[in-house]
Amino acid sequence: LAKTTQPISMDSYEGQEVNITCSHNNIATNDYITWYQQFPSQGPRFIIQGYKTKVTNEVASLFIPADRKSSTLSLPRVSLSDTAVYYCLVGDIPAGGYQKVTFGTGTKLQVIP
Amino acid sequence: GAVVSQHPSRVICKSGTSVKIECRSLDFQATTMFWYRQFPKQSLMLMATSNEGSKATYEQGVEKDKFLINHASLTLSTLTVTSAHPEDSSFYICSARDRGEEKLFFGSGTQLSVL
Repeated sequence: LAKTTQPISMDSYEGQEVNITCSHNNIATNDYITWYQQFPSQGPRFIIQGYKTKVTNEVASLFIPADRKSSTLSLPRVSLSDTAVYYCLVGDIPAGGYQKVTFGTGTKLQVIP
Repeated sequence: GAVVSQHPSRVICKSGTSVKIECRSLDFQATTMFWYRQFPKQSLMLMATSNEGSKATYEQGVEKDKFLINHASLTLSTLTVTSAHPEDSSFYICSARDRGEEKLFFGSGTQLSVL
């Protein structure tokens, strides 16, 4: 499984765009990149998933360069409720079977009023 | 989207007792479920992979006799913490993958406090 590296923490003011970058230098050909959000005392919640280039949904955008060795989660105009830990996961999740997913350290985002 | 239900959300027990945590996939079948443990301000640590109809696969360092996993049906996996001790106090989370989806769904977690 590809190891991921993220910043431990980030601070941002309300209303700003936040970009969290994840490094995954040994990503495999079949691996997808998935981001999860976790609030205290809750299970992680899916945010976005992608394989290459750019993916956008109603919550966030995910930018993946051509070499796929990193990815950037972009949260537009964050609010206080976006304060959470964000995890970048890399693995062949769509393949199903018994692929297990391991979590890295995550990035604790603190949104400041 | 798919829903994974985890119960109880919180349990307090005396040292030496056993605690069972349930994880259910409500609207999909999950042949594989995963169990994690999370200590305060730390990341999730995979404990074991629960396979329907067969034995669970435990991660290195996780005692299989202490953390009993049963995946008797395609919608239910249970984790039993046997003879719990204060050091077992932690946040336990399960997850499952819906084969129709390309992502994992997580339960809401169980906060276990052993006195």
